[in-house]
Parts: sequence; structure tokens; C-alpha cells
Amino acid sequence: EPEVTQTPSHQVTQMGQEVILRCVPISNHLYFYWYRQILGQKVEFLVSFYNNEISEKSEIFDDQFSVERPDGSNFTLKIRSTKLEDSAMYFCASTGGQGFYGYTFGSGTRLTVV
Amino acid sequence: AQKVTQAQTEISVVEKEDVTLDCVYETRDTTYYLFWYKQPPSGELVFLIRRNSFDEQNEISGRYSWNFQKSTSSFNFTITASQVVDSAVYFCALRNTGNQFYFGTGTSLTVIP
Repeated sequence: EPEVTQTPSHQVTQMGQEVILRCVPISNHLYFYWYRQILGQKVEFLVSFYNNEISEKSEIFDDQFSVERPDGSNFTLKIRSTKLEDSAMYFCASTGGQGFYGYTFGSGTRLTVV
Repeated sequence: AQKVTQAQTEISVVEKEDVTLDCVYETRDTTYYLFWYKQPPSGELVFLIRRNSFDEQNEISGRYSWNFQKSTSSFNFTITASQVVDSAVYFCALRNTGNQFYFGTGTSLTVIP
């Protein structure tokens, strides 16, 4: 079964450093997403991406965050200057379309900011 | 606005007991989709079930069953004859036609041998 692949599975970074989380969505999917889960809390929507632009973003997704689909296969989330409170599990997801299309989550990247 | 409430923060049961995880949702959309995900300690989200708002039939899959009632905006999940491997955090989620997921706060289930 097709999977959404996220790398790395765990990343440790120093506060103030830039970090890039990588995702390879399912190849024929068109819509891409990032979600965040702070330890012990619920999964929260960050951003959706379609047709090479952001279609929706939450209040969490401030100027420190950016997304990109640099080469037609990867989908990246960049945090420009990490803060301690950015420590969380980050999930990438993709879907083929609106409505009742299958929506697949990756296995997540656990980001620890020290 | 969309909202998912899982009032049970933590549940402990003894192995082989049945357990029901509650989920109540709010939405003004007439078309929406409801989901349950399992999150084991390793952290990934394991898809369990998807239901659309027009299909209120209850579903059974092995030891798992789901009860969807639009009248009470609930989508409850029952595990029959629980096993230690069922220990995890379970999330209920709602997805609207805009494709965004709204997750509940999760229920942490511990099955005691």
C-alpha cells in the first residue's frame, strides 16, 4: 500500500537553528498537509498546500514556518529559527482530492529543540 | 466551527473487558467525515476507520465496532475483549469538505494484563 514517507524520524536541534523536515507524499496525490502534535496534546493543523501554493494555514503557522515542494516529489516544512516550544511530533499527510479521498498520514518526525 | 470532544482522558481496563471510547463532534457542515486513529507509543497515527456523514450504519471489524449517531453527534468506538496490545492513545477526528482534520484531545487506554 502506498505510504507517505517522512525523514528523519527524530531530529534534535539547538534553539535558534533552522530545521527542515522532509516528506515524500504519495505520488499521485495533489493536496499536502503538515500537522503538529506537542507531546501529550492533540494533533493540530498547520498548513495545506495545493497547486504549488499554500491554500490554508492556521494561527500556529507564523512567519517562522514555510513550506515548499522543491522538486515535484518532496514536500518540506522549514522552521527558520527554532524555539523550545517547537518541540513536537510533525506529521505530513497527503490526499488525492477533496471530499472522500483517502487521506494518508506519514509516521511523523519527532523534533526536539534543546 | 468544527470541534471534536473526547471527554475521557484516560481509561484503564483489565484484559478481556470491553471498553467504549466516546467522541462527540460539532460541525455546521452537512457533509463531513469522521475518523478514529490509534497512536501507539512509537508515535505514528494508525488509521482505524472512516465514516461519512450520510452513512450511519454501525460497523464491526473484528473486536472493534463503531456507533455513529447523528442525532447526538457522537461517534463512539468499542473494543471487545480488550488485549494488552490495544494500549495506546486513540484519537477521534473530523474532516470537513475543506480537507482539514480536526482532532480530539485523545483518550489514553491502558489494558492491564
